[in-house]
Amino acid sequence: QVQLVQSGAEVKKPGASVRVSCKASGYNFTDNYIHWVRLVSGQGLEWMGWINPKRGRTEYAQKFQGRVTMTRDTAINTVYMDFRSLTSDDTAVYYCARRGLDLVGFDTWGQGTKVIVSA
Amino acid sequence: DIVLTQSPLSLPVTPGEPASISCRSSQSLLHSNGYDYLDWYLQKPGQPPQLLIYLGSTRASGVPDRFSGSGSGTDFTLKISRVEAEDVGIYYCMQGQESPRTFGQGTKLEIK
Repeated sequence: QVQLVQSGAEVKKPGASVRVSCKASGYNFTDNYIHWVRLVSGQGLEWMGWINPKRGRTEYAQKFQGRVTMTRDTAINTVYMDFRSLTSDDTAVYYCARRGLDLVGFDTWGQGTKVIVSA
Repeated sequence: DIVLTQSPLSLPVTPGEPASISCRSSQSLLHSNGYDYLDWYLQKPGQPPQLLIYLGSTRASGVPDRFSGSGSGTDFTLKISRVEAEDVGIYYCMQGQESPRTFGQGTKLEIK
């Protein structure tokens, strides 16, 4: 079945960087865009950007431009989200989500990766 | 950025009763192709969000038919015909009409 499996929880100091991975299985990896969405406690869902696994093209929310980089490794069907210059405001659960074909929304989500930023 | 405003933010419902959530957009979500780029998601406690409705009114695969979406342009509604205990969680609308994609604030449905 279609599945996205994310890397485990992280604890980082302010100013540090984090890499979250998202491994896809059960479908042709290059057929679907992967988006990243975060859930900040008490603030709801926030979209961060997407990557096209076929060509590696990306688009980021302006809020995160300059701090986030999304990449992929087609040999192992994995997408990465690198996030740098972390602050306590970046403490959140980070999700990768597959955009379905034919205008379908985000039809499959990873289990989420908790990132805690604390001194 | 497009702002999505949901109401109510809290929704206590008796099992078996209907429920309705509104999502209003600051700009039209009607694309030139005739589709409204509005999705509905449910995030159950301790789980990632799950897709319920896309393109305003199309039920996602496996979603029970008690869930329905309607609306066009700037006004959208998610309806649950008969609420069940498993429907508790936070409901979000999300627009895909333009970047950045944005979500509503969320509506917390709880069982009375």
